[in-house]
Amino acid sequence: GAVVSQHPSWVICKSGTSVKIECRSLDFQATTMFWYRQFPKQSLMLMATSNEGSKATYEQGVEKDKFLINHASLTLSTLTVTSAHPEDSSFYICSATWPQIDGYTFGSGTRLTVV
Amino acid sequence: GQNIDQPTEMTATEGAIVQINCTYQTSGFNGLFWYQQHAGEAPTFLSYNVLDGLEEKGRFSSFLSRSKGYSYLLLKELQMKDSASYLCAVRDRSGQNFVFGPGTRLSVLP
Repeated sequence: GAVVSQHPSWVICKSGTSVKIECRSLDFQATTMFWYRQFPKQSLMLMATSNEGSKATYEQGVEKDKFLINHASLTLSTLTVTSAHPEDSSFYICSATWPQIDGYTFGSGTRLTVV
Repeated sequence: GQNIDQPTEMTATEGAIVQINCTYQTSGFNGLFWYQQHAGEAPTFLSYNVLDGLEEKGRFSSFLSRSKGYSYLLLKELQMKDSASYLCAVRDRSGQNFVFGPGTRLSVLP
């Protein structure tokens, strides 16, 4: 079945530094990937839609200069949290879809803690 | 606009049956999905309805009424491991975008 690998699983960084999260589709080509953020006891909030070879589409209220998304190939999308602050601490999850599957396939998520 | 509602929390007893409801109002509809999410983990796919009616999959069943904008997830023979959040999600007409409900936190008690 379709598998999405997300790395790292967790990361702790200092305030002001940048963190890169990778999302790879292992056995299929994902033309579109999605990035979500989830705060404790809340649902998934879509941050942006990442399309291979083009600029990401950001949801309202998400700073595109702070959350840099790159989808350079059909199997890899990256999210870089720039100049991280403690309020950016959250669970970040990527997902991918392709025509042959009906739903989303989610990555395993990344727990980011900014200290 | 997009609006999906689910109860925030539910509690049930091991071995019992529980029904988690989901109502939606979306600008387009191309399928309703249920996901299970344990704390600190990514969601996992449970079921998918695109036509009205009941889809059964082992201990889990999902029902859809498109005219009423309503779905439910039925969990039978509850086990302790079923304690998790259950997310209802609607896929839009383009087939690309999902809108997730707030999730229902289910606690299964012995």
